[in-house]
Amino acid sequence: AQSVAQPEDQVNVAEGNPLTVKCTYSVSGNPYLFWYVQYPNRGLQFLLKYITGDNLVKGSYGFEAEFNKSQTSFHLKKPSALVSDSALYFCAVREGSARQLTFGSGTQLTVLP
Amino acid sequence: DGGITQSPKYLFRKEGQNVTLSCEQNLNHDAMYWYRQDPGQGLRLIYYSQIVNDFQKGDIAEGYSVSREKKESFPLTVTSAQKNPTAFYLCASSILTGGRDTQYFGPGTRLTVL
Repeated sequence: AQSVAQPEDQVNVAEGNPLTVKCTYSVSGNPYLFWYVQYPNRGLQFLLKYITGDNLVKGSYGFEAEFNKSQTSFHLKKPSALVSDSALYFCAVREGSARQLTFGSGTQLTVLP
Repeated sequence: DGGITQSPKYLFRKEGQNVTLSCEQNLNHDAMYWYRQDPGQGLRLIYYSQIVNDFQKGDIAEGYSVSREKKESFPLTVTSAQKNPTAFYLCASSILTGGRDTQYFGPGTRLTVL
């Protein structure tokens, strides 16, 4: 069975500081990992995904994520946070052969001016 | 949200009524999905469809029904059997259902039971 955990319900960071949103996963095979962002009363927007290859994945809006197989983690990062980055972030995982995508419970990111 | 439309944006339902949520995509994707979002619970899969005239139950299909008569359309009916239907409903689509394919989401429909 596949599962994903976002250990922090809320992350606060000052504007201009680096941000990290944590995600850990559990699969029995090879994982495909995704990050999405959701603004209030909107659908999810795709940020980036890890399929294979380079462990550092670059995505939209300056976000990147690092795949760490030994720690089964896929943390989302950005070098310098913007107030406009404040939103709800979801990590998701799919085991290689699985049909379904499993989502974490979400992390609310607040960037303080 | 581009390429996937959901309507209406807000929907109010009385007890005992069935309501249908619309989802249309112009991305030429084969696979379509319905998710339910509740605060603090992430997204839960209701139904998905890999091809026209075929669909599969997700984790919380009870009280819901779907159809897939056209590639572009995947409507969701919330029946009176769904005891707690108040939630935010999200439709998504992808090229295929497997592996590396990215799911793209519509803007959502917020359903409230009066």
